Amino acid sequence: DTAVSQTPKYLVTQMGNDKSIKCEQNLGHDTMYWYKQDSKKFLKIMFSYNNKELIINETVPNRFSPKSPDKAHLNLHINSLELGDSAVYFCASSQDGSLGQGSRNTIYFGEGSWLTVV
Amino acid sequence: GNSVTQMEGPVTLSEEAFLTINCTYTATGYPSLFWYVQYPGEGLQLLLKATKADDKGSNKGFEATYRKETTSFHLEKGSVQVSDSAVYFCALSGDNQGGKLIFGQGTELSVKP
Repeated sequence: DTAVSQTPKYLVTQMGNDKSIKCEQNLGHDTMYWYKQDSKKFLKIMFSYNNKELIINETVPNRFSPKSPDKAHLNLHINSLELGDSAVYFCASSQDGSLGQGSRNTIYFGEGSWLTVV
Repeated sequence: GNSVTQMEGPVTLSEEAFLTINCTYTATGYPSLFWYVQYPGEGLQLLLKATKADDKGSNKGFEATYRKETTSFHLEKGSVQVSDSAVYFCALSGDNQGGKLIFGQGTELSVKP
């Protein structure tokens, strides 16, 4: 069974459209994340949720709206898509949000969703 | 703020060569350090991690030691294979950061037969 699964894997859409990417984890984790990987492969966190509560929002345009209906799901909705939104979006999860010194936590990533805006 | 710097790629090696990918970090407090690998067209996989100074993470023949005195976490492998061709990311997560991973820019490795 896939631990962190996201759909769709590939998405091609026109500018101005609204689209959603869904993410589910079956690991029983409390914390979920969205990361964006740009065309130069640089990875940056967008959001994190802990048990359905927003914890991190990294100055992402408000066209991006995460929604967590329960702690196993974190969906990403994007309004009015722009060319610059083309990227790979990774969902991830961890037991909780403590990853500092001595932590046994690990962040597990999904396979990624390749979004192309044309 | 916290940051991670990796050596520039791409790195091209012959099969069975020794691999080093340098990673240095800047952080307040005591972060955990990670190496993730991304094979072509795939997602991110955790390769290894170390959560305190002098810890050594290892997996699949890869190793990295958490060096607090030099703020480094260099990735090494004694003998690379063609199947190791991928992009390697060094990352850190600090205390009280809500699980936020800060990534280096990635280093592309290409291993030729």
